[in-house]
Amino acid sequence: GEDVEQSLFLSVREGDSSVINCTYTDSSSTYLYWYKQEPGAGLQLLTYIFSNMDMKQDQRLTVLLNKKDKHLSLRIADTQTGDSAIYFCAENLSGYSTLTFGKGTMLLVSP
Amino acid sequence: NAGVMQNPRHLVRRRGQEARLRCSPMKGHSHVYWYRQLPEEGLKFMVYLQKENIIDESGMPKERFSAEFPKEGPSILRIQQVVRGDSAAYFCASSPGATGEGTEAFFGQGTRLTVV
Repeated sequence: GEDVEQSLFLSVREGDSSVINCTYTDSSSTYLYWYKQEPGAGLQLLTYIFSNMDMKQDQRLTVLLNKKDKHLSLRIADTQTGDSAIYFCAENLSGYSTLTFGKGTMLLVSP
Repeated sequence: NAGVMQNPRHLVRRRGQEARLRCSPMKGHSHVYWYRQLPEEGLKFMVYLQKENIIDESGMPKERFSAEFPKEGPSILRIQQVVRGDSAAYFCASSPGATGEGTEAFFGQGTRLTVV
């Protein structure tokens, strides 16, 4: 099975909060990342969290990490139509310099 | 400081031809990574290079694919005798240090390869 799993689709209304979830299997992950990909574009790093942290907040973004359940979430407050994109969760295993990505969650924000 | 530059943005090849994808890392970055994104899939790691060295090629198909990062010039991902299954978006990323230490990897806009 996949090392990193995400739900494929999320639809919200503008102004609501969005929560995108991710589960991973390898307990030796050191860093976990959230990337955003707009249509036809590359990946933009939104935020990352070190595995010894539970939470990280950066303006409208809140990352929660439950290491026991190997569960990562990204909360976007006051979601805007410009937030519509595909969001990828990725993990960085201890001792490796490469990232393992989930399949991505497509976020659709309607006015 | 320009970002990671990939060219071409779009590449069409007939089955059996060769595809060459180029990646110029950000200034000051000596670590380059290639990822492949198949339709409706996440990115899959292919190869990690530093100048003149392949550090990790565990994600590269054993045949037809090769990568280099010479002392001068861009990194090149080369696919020989392309097949339809090679159609994908190929992304390059670069970083100043190894990403295992939380260093951010910056991604290019990708090369979308279509094999007809």
